Amino acid sequence: DTEVTQTPKHLVMGMTNKKSLKCEQHMGHRAMYWYKQKAKKPPELMFVYSYEKLSINESVPSRFSPECPNSSLLNLHLHALQPEDSALYLCASSRDRSNEKLFFGSGTQLSVL
Amino acid sequence: KQEVTQIPAALSVPEGENLVLNCSFTDSAIYNLQWFRQDPGKGLTSLLLIQSSQREQTSGRLNASLDKSSGRSTLYIAASQPGDSATYLCAVGGSSNAGGTSYGKLTFGQGTILTVHP
Repeated sequence: DTEVTQTPKHLVMGMTNKKSLKCEQHMGHRAMYWYKQKAKKPPELMFVYSYEKLSINESVPSRFSPECPNSSLLNLHLHALQPEDSALYLCASSRDRSNEKLFFGSGTQLSVL
Repeated sequence: KQEVTQIPAALSVPEGENLVLNCSFTDSAIYNLQWFRQDPGKGLTSLLLIQSSQREQTSGRLNASLDKSSGRSTLYIAASQPGDSATYLCAVGGSSNAGGTSYGKLTFGQGTILTVHP
C-alpha cells in the first residue's frame, strides 16, 4: 500500500465552524506533513511531524491545530477560519524527515464562506 | 532563504517532441531535489528524487540532472505524449547542515505548466 488517504475530499465551512481534516498512511513512514496550496501556486509547508512529534511549524495561525495521534494518522483541526484560508490542503508522508520520496494524498479542497 | 525558480512557466509542444524543464535554486546546501507532477485539483506525484551527492536519475522517458555547485537541475522528457500534460514542480530539500532549521523542509518552485497536443 503506497497510498496517502485524505478525507474529506471537499469541505465547505462557515467562519464559526469547527472541522477536522484527516490523513492516513500505512507505509510505516515516520514523517508526516501538512501543506497548503492556493490556486496556481506551489504548495506551502505548514507543519512537519517526525516520530509523532511536531518538529516544524511554519508560523501557522493558531486557528489551524495539527495532531498526530499515532504513526499512521495525522489530523488538522480547523476553527474560526477566514475566507482567505480557502485552498487545497495536502497531506504527505516520507520514510523520515529527510524528505526521502514524499508521497502526497489527493488533498482536501476547502472553501470557507 | 532558499529560492527556487522554474523556467519556462508554461510550455506547449506537439506530441513526440523531446523537452527540457529547468529549475534553479539559490542555496547549494541542499539535502536532495525532487521533481513532482501535479494534475489539476490533485495531489503531487513524485517523479524523480536526486540526492545531493548524485548527478542524475532516470525513470523511463524521464531523466533529471543536478548540478549542485551551480544551483541547477533539469528534467528531460523524451518523446512527449498528451498524457504528460500536467504541472511539473521542482522542490529542494533543506540540508541538516544549514543550522538544522531547514532540515525537513521542501521549497517548491512555481512550476511549469506543460501541454502536449496530439
